[in-house]
Amino acid sequence: SQQGEEDPQALSIQEGENATMNCSYKTSINNLQWYRQNSGRGLVHLILIRSNEREKHSGRLRVTLDTSKKSSSLLITASRAADTASYFCATEGAGNNRKLIWGLGTSLAVNP
Amino acid sequence: KAGVTQTPRYLIKTRGQQVTLSCSPISGHRSVSWYQQTPGQGLQFLFEYFSETQRNKGNFPGRFSGRQFSNSRSEMNVSTLELGDSALYLCASSLYPREAGAFFGQGTRLTVV
Repeated sequence: SQQGEEDPQALSIQEGENATMNCSYKTSINNLQWYRQNSGRGLVHLILIRSNEREKHSGRLRVTLDTSKKSSSLLITASRAADTASYFCATEGAGNNRKLIWGLGTSLAVNP
Repeated sequence: KAGVTQTPRYLIKTRGQQVTLSCSPISGHRSVSWYQQTPGQGLQFLFEYFSETQRNKGNFPGRFSGRQFSNSRSEMNVSTLELGDSALYLCASSLYPREAGAFFGQGTRLTVV
C-alpha cells in the first residue's frame, strides 16, 4: 500500500523555471525523504526532513513539511534539463516502524 | 567509497523457477532494505535487515525471503516465480538508525516468462 501520494503525476517546464511537487501521507512519521530516479543514475537520495523540522534547503532544492496537514513540498529552482527525472517522496514511520513507504512519484520533464 | 552493488543486473526466468538476488551494501552500512518497483504499484517495501536480523517486513507472500550475512551482504530469494513477480528489485543500504537517507543500487531487472 502507498503512504505518499505525489502531485502532480507529471510536470513539464522550461529550463530556468521553478518546479514544485507535493506529497501527502497518511500516518505519523519520523522523517520524510525525497528521491530522484532516472535511467542513468538510478534512485538517488536528495534530502531528508525530520518530523520536527518545517523547512530545509540543499542547493537548488527547498523542502517544506507540514505535519498538521501531513504534506510536504519539493521546490527545484532554476531547473535544468539534467533535472528531468521521476521524483519520489518516502516516509519513515514513527516509533519502531522504520520502513520507507513510497509514493508513486512525479515525472518531471525540463525542456531546453 | 564503492556504492551499493546488486547482481545480476538483468535476469530472465520462467514461471515456477526460483531466483536469488544479491546485494553488497556500502562499506560500514549495516542496514539493508529490499524494494520491488513496478509501473503500477511503484516502490513496495519487501524487508529490512540489520546485523543479520530481519527488522521489518512488508506485505509480500512467503515466497519472498531474504537473509543477511555477517559481512552485511544480503540476498533475497523468490521461489515459485509468477508472471507478476516481473519487476525491478532494488536494494538500499543505510546507517542504522537512518538520518541521512538510503543509498540504492542500480537494481536487478527480473523478467518472468
